[in-house]
Amino acid sequence: NAGVTQTPKFRILKIGQSMTLQCTQDMNHNYMYWYRQDPGMGLKLIYYSVGAGITDKGEVPNGYNVSRSTTEDFPLRLELAAPSQTSVYFCASSTAGGNYEQYFGPGTRLTVT
Amino acid sequence: QKEVEQDPGPLSVPEGAIVSLNCTYSNSAFQYFMWYRQYSRKGPELLMYTYSSGNKEDGRFTAQVDKSSKYISLFIRDSQPSDSATYLCAMSADVGGNKLVFGAGTILRVKS
Repeated sequence: NAGVTQTPKFRILKIGQSMTLQCTQDMNHNYMYWYRQDPGMGLKLIYYSVGAGITDKGEVPNGYNVSRSTTEDFPLRLELAAPSQTSVYFCASSTAGGNYEQYFGPGTRLTVT
Repeated sequence: QKEVEQDPGPLSVPEGAIVSLNCTYSNSAFQYFMWYRQYSRKGPELLMYTYSSGNKEDGRFTAQVDKSSKYISLFIRDSQPSDSATYLCAMSADVGGNKLVFGAGTILRVKS
């Protein structure tokens, strides 16, 4: 039981490049989330999904896109990378129905130069 | 004004000390309160969860919520070097509890 896995662990992008951050969970959780964590700023919700085919914006969605074609996978797409997207990205999942524990992946450290 | 305020620290204490970590918030609709622990270069993990006001105890950890003051606390008794981590408060008004607002996190260092 791997929990929540994220790839890659590290990535350096040039300004204007695009990439997809991968997230997979094997706990059959309906809810999945993408956060970014900047130093001293806590976690900010980018997008979340309540089930396959359903996604919604969080607090900081600009510059990102998501899709949810399966229960297990929730990729985050960065289009036209900008230095402001330099951050640590965490994917998380949780069950529906009042379980408030979110299980986090190990994170992806992204630098845009 | 941020919805959730948390002193980033770092807070440095000797082993065995009682640690008090705190958050204040401005949104009176928050009713679900959590503390997450995050070790260096790892994802956060849930430590404590409380609903509405009151106290909750789990081993060396006690979570307190004072909704009238919009103030939550996490107490750690007999602190250990293994408690050294960043502690993030998180809260939600959402009835499903799935849209969390996080504090900035407090860095705790327990010296042996």
